[in-house]
Amino acid sequence: GAVVSQHPSRVICKSGTSVKIECRSLDFQATTMFWYRQFPKKSLMLMATSNEGSKATYEQGVEKDKFLINHASLTLSTLTVTSAHPEDSSFYICSASQTGYGYTFGSGTRLTVV
Amino acid sequence: AQSVTQLDSHVSVSEGTPVLLRCNYSSSYSPSLFWYVQHPNKGLQLLLKYTSAATLVKGINGFEAEFKKSETSFHLTKPSAHMSDAAEYFCVVSESQAGTALIFGKGTTLSVSS
Repeated sequence: GAVVSQHPSRVICKSGTSVKIECRSLDFQATTMFWYRQFPKKSLMLMATSNEGSKATYEQGVEKDKFLINHASLTLSTLTVTSAHPEDSSFYICSASQTGYGYTFGSGTRLTVV
Repeated sequence: AQSVTQLDSHVSVSEGTPVLLRCNYSSSYSPSLFWYVQHPNKGLQLLLKYTSAATLVKGINGFEAEFKKSETSFHLTKPSAHMSDAAEYFCVVSESQAGTALIFGKGTTLSVSS
């Protein structure tokens, strides 16, 4: 079945530094990838939608300069949290989509900013 | 725009009794509907999905859901709860087009007591 690999699963970083999260589709080409954020005991909030080779579309209220999304190939999308602060601490989950494969989620990344 | 409303934030049942998790949706187009489960500190697992085929959808672990267009509902049921069913459940909607994001409900916490 379709598999999406997300790394790292956990990361702790210092306030002011940047963190990159990778999302790879292992056995299919993901024309579209989605990035979600989940606060503790809350639902998943869509942050942005990215299509290979084009700029990501961000949801209202999501700072595009803080959350940089790159979808350079059909199998890789990255989310970079720039100048991270404690309020950016959260669970980030990617999802890849392609016709015929439906939606496949990564296992998530727990980011803690100290 | 599509959305989902999970009518109960928390449902408590005894082991061996039926489970009902309620979900209403709103969509301008023919929607795809999903139920996902998330165990503590874990990723998302797809329970079942409706994509305009049979209105009664059977999923994994004995769960099923019925799509009722007249009621705009997609309630999740299970005849007999198991302790391992205790988790967070999300009702999710998407327009039936490739490349559109999944929109999550706020979630329902299912507790199962012995």
